[in-house]
Amino acid sequence: SYELTQPPAVSVSAGQTATITCSGNKLGDKSASWYQQRPGQSPTLVIYKDNKRPSGTPERFSGSNSGNTATLTISGTRAMDEADYYCQAWDIGTAVFGGGTKLTVL
Amino acid sequence: EVHLLESGGDFVQPGGSLRLSCVASGFTFSSYALSWVRQAPGKGLEWVSFISVHDIPNYTDSVKGRFTTSRDNSKNTVYLQMNSLRDEDTATYYCAKLEGDTDSDYSFDDWGQGTQVTVSS
Repeated sequence: SYELTQPPAVSVSAGQTATITCSGNKLGDKSASWYQQRPGQSPTLVIYKDNKRPSGTPERFSGSNSGNTATLTISGTRAMDEADYYCQAWDIGTAVFGGGTKLTVL
Repeated sequence: EVHLLESGGDFVQPGGSLRLSCVASGFTFSSYALSWVRQAPGKGLEWVSFISVHDIPNYTDSVKGRFTTSRDNSKNTVYLQMNSLRDEDTATYYCAKLEGDTDSDYSFDDWGQGTQVTVSS
């Protein structure tokens, strides 16, 4: 079955750029989405179709997807961005989520 | 504004059954695919099932033959019938609306607040 791999944890200083990766076989040929989940809350969509932002997602969030890796980039990271982030793609009619990355803002 | 409200979660013994419901509002229900996603305590997100606008379901391997997803467009409701429940089915179950052009680029663009299912003897 298809798998997506994320680093378990990423730390970033406030105001700096956070980068979270998601790896999967030929992931660049698929459409990647990213979700933010703050503690005790439901997930919310922050990036879809590799690099598109839903209304309500701040411009500091951006995404890319090429080769075997999708990347979520948060520029000028704020304390409110501290959360778990999950990548997701579809493979043969089934949805796959990455294991999640806990982003800590120092 | 899109709103998804799950219900039906409970404490159940292994081998038991539950039916979860998700009532939707704020969008044309019949025009969208929907999905169930679960999250075990302290763990990540796991996709459970999907139902298309044409009422065609699909499931993750671990629930095939045990879970059934259905929809009632007249009630704006999607269901998850869960049979032969196991300890490992313990999780918060989220209902999510899908947005996209094809089944290869759907994203889960709106989520409910979740309902808790606990399977234990």
